[in-house]
Amino acid sequence: DAGVTQSPTHLIKTRGQQVTLRCSPKSGHDTVSWYQQALGQGPQFIFQYYEEEERQRGNFPDRFSGHQYPNYSSELNVNALLLGDSALYLCASTLRVTGVSGNTIYFGEGSWLTVV
Amino acid sequence: RKEVEQDPGPFNVPEGATVAFNCTYSNSASQSFFWYRQDCRKEPKLLMSVYSSGNEDGRFTAQLNRASQYISLLIRDSKLSDSATYLCAVNSPSGGSYIPTFGRGTSLIVHP
Repeated sequence: DAGVTQSPTHLIKTRGQQVTLRCSPKSGHDTVSWYQQALGQGPQFIFQYYEEEERQRGNFPDRFSGHQYPNYSSELNVNALLLGDSALYLCASTLRVTGVSGNTIYFGEGSWLTVV
Repeated sequence: RKEVEQDPGPFNVPEGATVAFNCTYSNSASQSFFWYRQDCRKEPKLLMSVYSSGNEDGRFTAQLNRASQYISLLIRDSKLSDSATYLCAVNSPSGGSYIPTFGRGTSLIVHP
């Protein structure tokens, strides 16, 4: 049973560039969330995808966008990279059950992004 | 005020000690609560869910106090391998769904 997988694991970009990060959810899960974790901070919610639509969004600018495919995999795109975008980007998956609040999320190993 | 707050520590304790962490949350409509463990430069991994009645898993005990809006994690008989950052997560309602919000984590260092 494959867990959440992310790629790439590490990457370096220069300011102004664009980056795409990829995620495959845990088998049986249909909902993907993306988090940004800066050093010394907790994961910050970026957005959540379910049924190929963005359902919830955290306090992140429009430079952050995403997509979910019919097989539930997802991408996170960041345009016009800033130095402050350097962080660990975590993908988390869960099975969305309407009205249930306690669904546990499972994280992938993350993608380390360094912007220089 | 942040939605979820934790003392970042570090908590420096000797092997065998008992240590406790608290995590406060601001949204009284929050429904479910979790503790995650994160090792250096790794992803967070679920340690345990926190139930209203409290729950125990070996040396780890988690409790929820809804009246005061905090959750706690107690680690007994600390091991060197318990050294890590402990993140609390709170599922709060948002637009028909529940979004986990994380604290910044509490760093634990267990020394010989």
